[in-house]
Amino acid sequence: KAGVTQTPRYLIKTRGQQVTLSCSPISGHRSVSWYQQTPGQGLQFLFEYFSETQRNKGNFPGRFSGRQFSNSRSEMNVSTLELGDSALYLCASSLDRSVAFFGQGTRLTVV
Amino acid sequence: QQPVQSPQAVILREGEDAVINCSSSKALYSVHWYRQKHGEAPVFLMILLKGGEQKGHDKISASFNEKKQQSSLYLTASQLSYSGTYFCGTDSGAGSYQLTFGKGTKLSVIP
Repeated sequence: KAGVTQTPRYLIKTRGQQVTLSCSPISGHRSVSWYQQTPGQGLQFLFEYFSETQRNKGNFPGRFSGRQFSNSRSEMNVSTLELGDSALYLCASSLDRSVAFFGQGTRLTVV
Repeated sequence: QQPVQSPQAVILREGEDAVINCSSSKALYSVHWYRQKHGEAPVFLMILLKGGEQKGHDKISASFNEKKQQSSLYLTASQLSYSGTYFCGTDSGAGSYQLTFGKGTKLSVIP
């Protein structure tokens, strides 16, 4: 069974640009959650999607958005990038309120 | 609210035991434990649901005290491969699904 796949693995962007990250969950998993991981703040919840609906959102500005497609694949978008957005962005998939399996993450560097 | 993990860091010699604690101020539905090695994704270890059942596999086990909203991860006869940062993630069971993670416990096992 294939795991959670995130693309790209690494990204370097300039301040002010926007970026789109992709996550393909484990087959059959309909819940996809996104997390931002930084050394200072740890793992912080961004949002969760289930069957194409955003069910929950963390305390992040509106520049952070996401969506989920009918095949459960999810994307997150960050607009008007700031230096502080540099982080490891992790996606996790689960059946529903159960074990969450993480992808390898996308390392975003904003310069 | 973010669960509190203790200790923040611990150094063990191979073969020694360790306990990592996770405490929440909110009523919990489940506690999830993960281990993350440097540069890698968090790897699921185990999930504990309301009921206080102790779970484990190999030399790693965990307990969940529902009344105290506390969970403990027990590592017995530690191996070099146990090194990494351990996170607990909590789900209150209320509202939409969201795992809230502690800041992590860095475990180093030395020969």
